[in-house]
Amino acid sequence: QVQLQESGPGLVKPSETLSLTCTVSGVSVSSENYYWSWIRQPPGKGLEWIANIYFTGRTNYKPSLKSRVTISLDTSKNQFSLKLRSLTAADTAVYYCVSGAYYFDDWGQGRLITVSS
Amino acid sequence: EIVMTQSPATLSVSPGERATLSCRASQSVSSNLAWYQQKPGQAPRLLIYDASTRATGIPATFSGSGSGTEFTLTISSLQSEDFAVYYCQQYNNWPPSTFGQGTKLEIK
Repeated sequence: QVQLQESGPGLVKPSETLSLTCTVSGVSVSSENYYWSWIRQPPGKGLEWIANIYFTGRTNYKPSLKSRVTISLDTSKNQFSLKLRSLTAADTAVYYCVSGAYYFDDWGQGRLITVSS
Repeated sequence: EIVMTQSPATLSVSPGERATLSCRASQSVSSNLAWYQQKPGQAPRLLIYDASTRATGIPATFSGSGSGTEFTLTISSLQSEDFAVYYCQQYNNWPPSTFGQGTKLEIK
């Protein structure tokens, strides 16, 4: 079974960059045919897919976020990461790391990120 | 970007009864649709994928149907643990994959 755990700061200032890491256990992030995704959920609101990365390193981004987002793999640590730049209050959300490209089988517990000065 | 619209926003049903939740896509997504259940303070859980295939460990009380633009999630004989928020998600046209705004299933 795949297990995922997000880590990163809980509070970030406006205009700064958010860096989140997802540690994966139960499977290698470089396993064939695996996609790794980030999804977020503002408080009290619905789910928004942000980006994914294939085991080969190929990436896909939500068009409206593409200019601010980078997703990457670290195979040596069995992790994948998200960087989101130029933060505003609208980026306040629970951020989930997830396995899957099409539908999402396994989810981390989520990390609440608050953007505030 | 495909817009997913769920109805109703809130559904009140008594335990033991059947619940029917709807999801509509702004354009055809074929059968590339999933359903998730989310309880307060928890991550979503995959229930259904490919419109009608139950995920591992999901009881047969959950069933999905539909194709194209109209989809339904049916929960027969509601148990207390089934009261939650349900989301549909299309993955026919991605990126980006898109979710509905959710239906809250509450106890009547």
